[in-house]
Amino acid sequence: GQQLNQSPQSMFIQEGEDVSMNCTSSSIFNTWLWYKQDPGEGPVLLIALYKAGELTSNGRLTAQFGITRKDSFLNISASIPSDVGIYFCAGQAADNTNAGKSTFGDGTTLTVKP
Amino acid sequence: DAGVTQSPTHLIKTRGQHVTLRCSPISGHKSVSWYQQVLGQGPQFIFQYYEKEERGRGNFPDRFSARQFPNYSSELNVNALLLGDSALYLCASSLARQTYGYTFGSGTRLTVV
Repeated sequence: GQQLNQSPQSMFIQEGEDVSMNCTSSSIFNTWLWYKQDPGEGPVLLIALYKAGELTSNGRLTAQFGITRKDSFLNISASIPSDVGIYFCAGQAADNTNAGKSTFGDGTTLTVKP
Repeated sequence: DAGVTQSPTHLIKTRGQHVTLRCSPISGHKSVSWYQQVLGQGPQFIFQYYEKEERGRGNFPDRFSARQFPNYSSELNVNALLLGDSALYLCASSLARQTYGYTFGSGTRLTVV
């Protein structure tokens, strides 16, 4: 089945530093999604990417959809303490059988030291 | 506006028992998806329901079933609970069947003892 490899597994950074995390897949996806999950909450959508090569920003967050359609990265600039949480990538495939299915990576846990 | 609401928030069950989890989507959303999130892992797709019909199913045993009601709310049922069913069960809603990104609820934390 489809698998997403997300790295790094965890990151410990100083406030103000930039962060980069990425996701690779063995399968092609039509859509890449990036979510943030805080303790006790469900994931919250940060950025959605719809086509290969697309680069999209949301404030201090920037994400790109890889040209091969098998990878994506998320950058966070000038990190702040509230960026702490678990970041998940997710992909949606092209087949119609499970059109609404998102395949998630296992997350990158971000810790920001003030 | 209310977001996706799930009940109960926490639940403890014994092995072999049955459990029913409930989800109310955002008003106007017709699609509901269920995910299982085991500690330390990303959510795994269980089901999608759209317009009261099952539209997608993940790799879960037949002990897992779900349904969607005319008001688009949904139930997830799990029979013959196993210890490994302990997880956070997330419900997500969207306007349409195929959509780019969902709104998740806060989940139901199920512990099987």
